Amino acid sequence: KQEVTQIPAALSVPEGENLVLNCSFTDSAIYNLQWFRQDPGKGLTSLLLIQSSQREQTSGRLNASLDKSSGRSTLYIAASQPGDSATYLCAVNPYNNNDMRFGAGTRLTVKP
Amino acid sequence: DAGVIQSPRHEVTEMGQEVTLRCKPISGHDYLFWYRQTMMRGLELLIYFNNNVPIDDSGMPEDRFSAKMPNASFSTLKIQPSEPRDSAVYFCASSPASTGELFFGEGSRLTVL
Repeated sequence: KQEVTQIPAALSVPEGENLVLNCSFTDSAIYNLQWFRQDPGKGLTSLLLIQSSQREQTSGRLNASLDKSSGRSTLYIAASQPGDSATYLCAVNPYNNNDMRFGAGTRLTVKP
Repeated sequence: DAGVIQSPRHEVTEMGQEVTLRCKPISGHDYLFWYRQTMMRGLELLIYFNNNVPIDDSGMPEDRFSAKMPNASFSTLKIQPSEPRDSAVYFCASSPASTGELFFGEGSRLTVL
């Protein structure tokens, strides 16, 4: 059964810093991996989707990488801003649109 | 598109009452999912549908929970009778078969007293 782990559980950085969030998964046979952002009391907002055949995806200041062989993905946030403060979750889809497994999330705080 | 729409956003009820949560997926999406989020257990998949047909309901905790999708634009999650341990945020999500990208609604926060 796929297990998804996110480290660290919480992270606090000063504004402007570049940072990396980590996601690891136990079964490398995945269909895709998705990064989400969740603000308090809100739903999950899709940030980046990486298909199994891809190595990375970029959107603005965000870059996500995928290494299936090692069971790892990273989310890189450049020049962090206070508005980036949120919980970031990664989710692994073992088969297309089946039981997507979520990590517990990393709670990011960017201090002005 | 307006995204995935859920109602109600908040529901407070008493133990033993019936609760119905509603979801309108994004038009054209093939899959619909119901998740539950709690501090203790994180996000859990309850059930998902493909083209309105329930595919996997192994995550539904008990027979008190049921879900339907009568057409491509509407789904319900019902809890009868409700219990305090059902208190959680319930999310509906949908995705297209072409990419598998998951889109979430804003959630329904349920409190059972």
